[in-house]
Amino acid sequence: GAVVSQHPSRVICKSGTSVKIECRSLDFQATTMFWYRQFPKQSLMLMATSNEGSKATYEQGVEKDKFLINHASLTLSTLTVTSAHPEDSSFYICSALRLAGGDLTTDTQYFGPGTRLTVL
Amino acid sequence: QKEVEQNSGPLSVPEGAIASLNCTYSDRVSQSFFWYRQYSGKSPELIMSIYSNGDKEDGRFTAQLNKASQYVSLLIRDSQPSDSATYLCAVNTGFQKLVFGTGTRLLVSP
Repeated sequence: GAVVSQHPSRVICKSGTSVKIECRSLDFQATTMFWYRQFPKQSLMLMATSNEGSKATYEQGVEKDKFLINHASLTLSTLTVTSAHPEDSSFYICSALRLAGGDLTTDTQYFGPGTRLTVL
Repeated sequence: QKEVEQNSGPLSVPEGAIASLNCTYSDRVSQSFFWYRQYSGKSPELIMSIYSNGDKEDGRFTAQLNKASQYVSLLIRDSQPSDSATYLCAVNTGFQKLVFGTGTRLLVSP
């Protein structure tokens, strides 16, 4: 498999503050990473696709000015939740895309351990 | 709307039995399919990937794909209590994005 880390694993913050979450691919380079959000007893919902060296692509309904994504290197993507509110409390999970080489259909996403955000 | 459907369960099997998990998808052009296991409070962990029709075996796990019928399944042989988790079916619908099913909760009783 492949190793993807996330930091922090858990964060509690006050309403109105900003929180930065880091996602790192430790043993492979990832030009593409994905950010998901998961509410209790629900499946993963894709928020955005993070591309190294270019702007992120956001899914419909996700506010790009609230969820800032930066993918400055081939091993690091960051998600900043700006002006967080209690409704932003969720489990945020990143994944890194490991390329199989040539055949796009066999590229595989490996997930980080997730960050549990609680906004008071 | 590209959809991936799974029975939410729970699917209860005794230890040592075969657990069969099923998934259907709506986008006929989907090319790659994945099974992830997610323990409560944890992130998904890749179990199997499958791209061609037929069976793919890896240890106690066998993935089955039938593109004509648009379904993919996961068999777990000799189920163990540690296999108790939610199993997510994911389909690559293009541009390397995955669409996830809601997951099937598996309970393996000792």
